[in-house]
Amino acid sequence: SAVISQKPSRDICQRGTSLTIQCQVDSQVTMMFWYRQQPGQSLTLIATANQGSEATYESGFVIDKFPISRPNLTFSTLTVSNMSPEDSSIYLCSVATTNYGYTFGSGTRLTVV
Amino acid sequence: QKEVEQDPGPLSVPEGAIVSLNCTYSNSAFQYFMWYRQYSRKGPELLMYTYSSGNKEDGRFTAQVDKSSKYISLFIRDSQPSDSATYLCAMSASFGNEKLTFGTGTRLTIIP
Repeated sequence: SAVISQKPSRDICQRGTSLTIQCQVDSQVTMMFWYRQQPGQSLTLIATANQGSEATYESGFVIDKFPISRPNLTFSTLTVSNMSPEDSSIYLCSVATTNYGYTFGSGTRLTVV
Repeated sequence: QKEVEQDPGPLSVPEGAIVSLNCTYSNSAFQYFMWYRQYSRKGPELLMYTYSSGNKEDGRFTAQVDKSSKYISLFIRDSQPSDSATYLCAMSASFGNEKLTFGTGTRLTIIP
């Protein structure tokens, strides 16, 4: 299966600032996903990022708040903009292949103070 | 109503017990059913996936899918303390080319 490197693993940020999370995959994949997981909760899909097209956002998530880049088939970034304490969460990237299904990165634990 | 329902637990059982984890769903288009295990401060890792109805066994783990009842289960035999984690069910209509729909996750603790 694909191996995902996600950075940073954790960060503490001031409110009003932005954080960019990187997701690097060891193989080319078409579909990448960004999830949020709040403490003790399940995964909520933020957006689907396919290379060569605009990201598709789920209800409740907007591009101005969570801009996503997908410059090639092995890399994507998610930016959490103008952060507030409510954005404190774990952010996970995931890739999907028809051979191996869905693989997740280890996550970025974000605390906004 | 959520598309996928999962008892959030927490569930505590003694070591060696058989554990049963379950999810129900409402979307009849779902064909692929997955179970993920997530340790604290880690990303989810795929345990098993099943296509359509039936059983699948892998070591101490057995996944069951009953599409007629829209009900899936994961059984863990001879449970070990290392099985203590959150277990998430997930499902999709196709495999690897669309988003997953997750249950809420069940936190499991195996007591030595």
